[in-house]
Amino acid sequence: DAGVIQSPRHEVTEMGQEVTLRCKPISGHNSLFWYRQTMMRGLELLIYFNNNVPIDDSGMPEDRFSAKMPNASFSTLKIQPSEPRDSAVYFCASSLAASGGHEQFFGPGTRLTVL
Amino acid sequence: AQSVAQPEDQVNVAEGNPLTVKCTYSVSGNPYLFWYVQYPNRGLQFLLKYITGDNLVKGSYGFEAEFNKSQTSFHLKKPSALVSDSALYFCAPKGGSQGNLIFGKGTKLSVKP
Repeated sequence: DAGVIQSPRHEVTEMGQEVTLRCKPISGHNSLFWYRQTMMRGLELLIYFNNNVPIDDSGMPEDRFSAKMPNASFSTLKIQPSEPRDSAVYFCASSLAASGGHEQFFGPGTRLTVL
Repeated sequence: AQSVAQPEDQVNVAEGNPLTVKCTYSVSGNPYLFWYVQYPNRGLQFLLKYITGDNLVKGSYGFEAEFNKSQTSFHLKKPSALVSDSALYFCAPKGGSQGNLIFGKGTKLSVKP
């Protein structure tokens, strides 16, 4: 298996532009997680899905952020409009299930820079 | 409230010496406990986990961790450190019925030759 796939790996955009980050989870995994990592705040859970349904989006910073999972093999995280403070590394992770003792497998991340 | 604490921002050890990275936690119910490692400019990699059973669990790259219920701790250990172990280490607990892991800011491990 190729592991969790994220694209793009790097994104540089200007303030006010729309940004879409993409994630393909490991085949057969039923849970998908979006995280954001910064030096100041560490690793933050933004939202997670179970069987394509959003379960907890309490970590989504504000309405500018939205996430979708239209099917079991694809998820997007969209920021519109983007702001410089959104600059961070965004990770997607998947696991067999959210509950229980299943480990999460992380993708390589998308480094977002908003100018 | 559910939380995790890694009291040391950085741990420095000499190559060949034993290392310990400390972790204490607070979760509701029976805990599931995980350790992850992050190398520079990479995603997090799973090292090991405690679910139930033997309190000493062994994981990747020679790492092990000991679950201590009374002290609510899950310290990461390795008998002999390598320079290549230098990375950021995260302890991540979760309550049994929860869906998400709880991450702290991690501990930076630096192993010098």
